[in-house]
Amino acid sequence: AQKVTQTQTSISVMEKTTVTMDCVYETQDSSYFLFWYKQTASGEIVFLIRQDSYKKENATVGHYSLNFQKPKSSIGLIITATQIEDSAVYFCAMREGRGSALGRLHFGAGTQLIVIP
Amino acid sequence: NAGVIQTPRHKVTGKGQEATLWCEPISGHSAVFWYRQTIVQGLEFLTYFRNQAPIDDSGMPKERFSAQMPNQSHSTLKIQSTQPQDSAVYLCASSLAQGGDTQYFGPGTRLLVL
Repeated sequence: AQKVTQTQTSISVMEKTTVTMDCVYETQDSSYFLFWYKQTASGEIVFLIRQDSYKKENATVGHYSLNFQKPKSSIGLIITATQIEDSAVYFCAMREGRGSALGRLHFGAGTQLIVIP
Repeated sequence: NAGVIQTPRHKVTGKGQEATLWCEPISGHSAVFWYRQTIVQGLEFLTYFRNQAPIDDSGMPKERFSAQMPNQSHSTLKIQSTQPQDSAVYLCASSLAQGGDTQYFGPGTRLLVL
């Protein structure tokens, strides 16, 4: 069964510091894709960054980076130099690479990030 | 490029009425997905189309819910005889056709059934 777990419900950090949000996943597939999305206060869901399971190098986009630990089925999101506008809910998601469930995303419950000025 | 467009943004219906939600995917994207978001259940997959063909509707409630994609530029989600428990934000996403392609979300339709 496919499952994505985010155990941190809410995190508060001071502006300009670094934060890590945790995510673990379960899959039987050897090929899969991992994504992080951000949901803003307006409800908009924005794609941030992705990691393909066959890639060993951690993905980095702007001030977002990933800590991909495949043996632990873990994909953490790291935000450096946090800004007030990073305050949002962050969702981890997984998409499997093969089979009839090829398309769907499996989402975690989300982690609310509060950046304090 | 415009993102995924969803209309209406908000809809209020009375119990038992029909609701039709519209989605226009990003131009050139051939895969369209529907999800539902509630406080209790979080983000749930409903159904998806690839090249207008229904591929997986395993997340759709068996009764009252249906989805179509009559052409490459729009998809509809129809809920018949709406019930209060159908109240949610309905999200449409689109992607290129390959399995690993990133899905991009529309702003959602907030449905409230009274």
